[in-house]
Formats: sequence, structure tokens, C-alpha cells
Amino acid sequence: NAGVTQTPKFQVLKTGQSMTLQCAQDMNHEYMSWYRQDPGMGLRLIHYSVGAGITDQGEVPNGYNVSRSTTEDFPLRLLSAAPSQTSVYFCASSYVSDGSQEQYFGPGTRLTVT
Amino acid sequence: AQKITQTQPGMFVQEKEAVTLDCTYDTSDPSYGLFWYKQPSSGEMIFLIYQGSYDQQNATEGRYSLNFQKARKSANLVISASQLGDSAMYFCAMRARDTGRRALTFGSGTRLQVQP
Repeated sequence: NAGVTQTPKFQVLKTGQSMTLQCAQDMNHEYMSWYRQDPGMGLRLIHYSVGAGITDQGEVPNGYNVSRSTTEDFPLRLLSAAPSQTSVYFCASSYVSDGSQEQYFGPGTRLTVT
Repeated sequence: AQKITQTQPGMFVQEKEAVTLDCTYDTSDPSYGLFWYKQPSSGEMIFLIYQGSYDQQNATEGRYSLNFQKARKSANLVISASQLGDSAMYFCAMRARDTGRRALTFGSGTRLQVQP
């Protein structure tokens, strides 16, 4: 099992550019989510999905889009990058059926917007 | 809405001693889970321990134990016999158990430094 994988590990964007952060999991988890972590803070939820074709907004969704066409993949799109989106982005997955299940996190993508 | 509060931005502990990291929470969900994650300087999120709101006993995982006081809405992490490798950020988090949302709400974290 590769677990949760994220690409790229690092990315630098100019203001206004768009890009997609990739996330994939091979554990057949229904639930997938994206968080961002700003310096000195905990993780905040951007978007989440409880299954293929189903997505919803989290705490800080503005400026981001997601889609879930397969169980395995959950890409995060930045539509027009802004310096305020400089952050570390984590993808996570878990089973939906029981809230006691831990979420498995990917290694993170460090994004800098100049 | 859920809220996690970690009031200790930084903690120091001597190697081999025990340390308690504080976490208080607020939620209107009748059933919920509490988690602790460790984030070393390399950046990954490592799951440490889980406590369910209806669990009768405090959770333990090796050197980690969770001191769960439901009436006080606290879920403190106790690390026994600290090791140098325990130096990291520690995050308390919670999620509802009876909804499909499954999102974790995180606290702001505590940076633990273990001194030789």
C-alpha cells in the first residue's frame, strides 16, 4: 500500500497562475479531504468528499475547486493563485462508516505564491 | 460548530520525564471522537491516539495516554518517559461520529521540545 500520495512536494506559482495539486489513495477510502496549514496554525478544512461524485465545502473553500470522479483521486485546483494561498496543503482519507477511524494524511505539498 | 483549544504554544520537558499537553474542546455533537497527531520537523502528520466520547476507559497506545474528562471537555495527551524523538508539534483534533462529514477540527498545536 502506498497510502496517500501527493504531488508535487513543492511548487512556486506567480500570482494569477492556476494549478492542480494531485492526491491519490489506494486504501479504498470513501472519505477524502484537503486541508491547509499556515505557519503556527493547525490544519483547516478546504473541501471534502464522501464518495465519487460528491464534494462539499469546508471552512476555507474560496479560491479552490475540487472534483471526485474516482474513489482513488481527489485533485485540488487553484483557480487564480494569490499570495494568501501560500501554505502547506495536506490531503487525507478515511472510511466514512465510523468516525473513530483515523484519517491518513499525505506528505503535504508546500506551495509558495509570489 | 466544533472548537479545539490548545493553550500551550510551547513546552519543554527533560528526557525520560512525563509531560502533559492540554486540549479542551467544545461541540454540540452528542457523539464524537478525539485524536492526537504528531508533526515532526519533516512535516508529516502522524496519528498517535484516539478517544471516543462514549468510551469508558482512557485510551492508551504505548507511551501515549489520553486523559479524557468529558464533563470538563478536556482530552489531554500524556507522554511518559519522553525521548528526544518526541520533539515535535502536537495537534489535538476532533470529529463528529454521527454525520457523514468526517472532517477533523484541529487546535493550533503545542510545540514540545525534549531536552537531554
